[in-house]
Amino acid sequence: DGGITQSPKYLFRKEGQNVTLSCEQNLNHDAMYWYRQDPGQGLRLIYYSQIVNDFQKGDIAEGYSVSREKKESFPLTVTSAQKNPTAFYLCASSMGQGASAFFGQGTRLTVV
Amino acid sequence: GESVGLHLPTLSVQEGDNSIINCAYSNSASDYFIWYKQESGKGPQFIIDIRSNMDKRQGQRVTVLLNKTVKHLSLQIAATQPGDSAVYFCAESNNNAGNMLTFGGGTRLMVKP
Repeated sequence: DGGITQSPKYLFRKEGQNVTLSCEQNLNHDAMYWYRQDPGQGLRLIYYSQIVNDFQKGDIAEGYSVSREKKESFPLTVTSAQKNPTAFYLCASSMGQGASAFFGQGTRLTVV
Repeated sequence: GESVGLHLPTLSVQEGDNSIINCAYSNSASDYFIWYKQESGKGPQFIIDIRSNMDKRQGQRVTVLLNKTVKHLSLQIAATQPGDSAVYFCAESNNNAGNMLTFGGGTRLMVKP
């Protein structure tokens, strides 16, 4: 089945550690996005990529890094520089300009 | 700055009634709008979209209305069911922003049996 898959569903991180969240899509979409959602809040854009080997910072990129080496994959690394990483992270993809985005089921990251 | 926002954070309706969820946007260059439904612990799901050259679009039990004059977007759900209980987000994009979606803060819809 076509879709967008995030893993893991739950992730625990010790303070000072880097962790990487996986996002894979087989929809042949060019654009991919990472959003952060805090409890009872909306979605804030972390990074987005319009095409392979290219990505741009969103509104809250500090403390995060991404790569886009393959069209299907857009992993997000939460670095130790991110002071408040506990949140629900959502990955999305779209065909590009003027198209809706499809979301994965999210990864809930908790710092312990 | 440019933003998308919502009038009401929580909407409570009786099962069977119609629901109306509102969204205001401030970017006059926005040309594409989407409504998403998010259930607890899950990713947002696409409900319906509308482009700026339209003012109304209907789906199954849902209708989106766009008023570009006052920069207002609404989602109407007919005969609201308990399964409609969720948080609803509007999102907008425009060519100038490279199709980057900007989301509103969300409205929680609670359906009373």
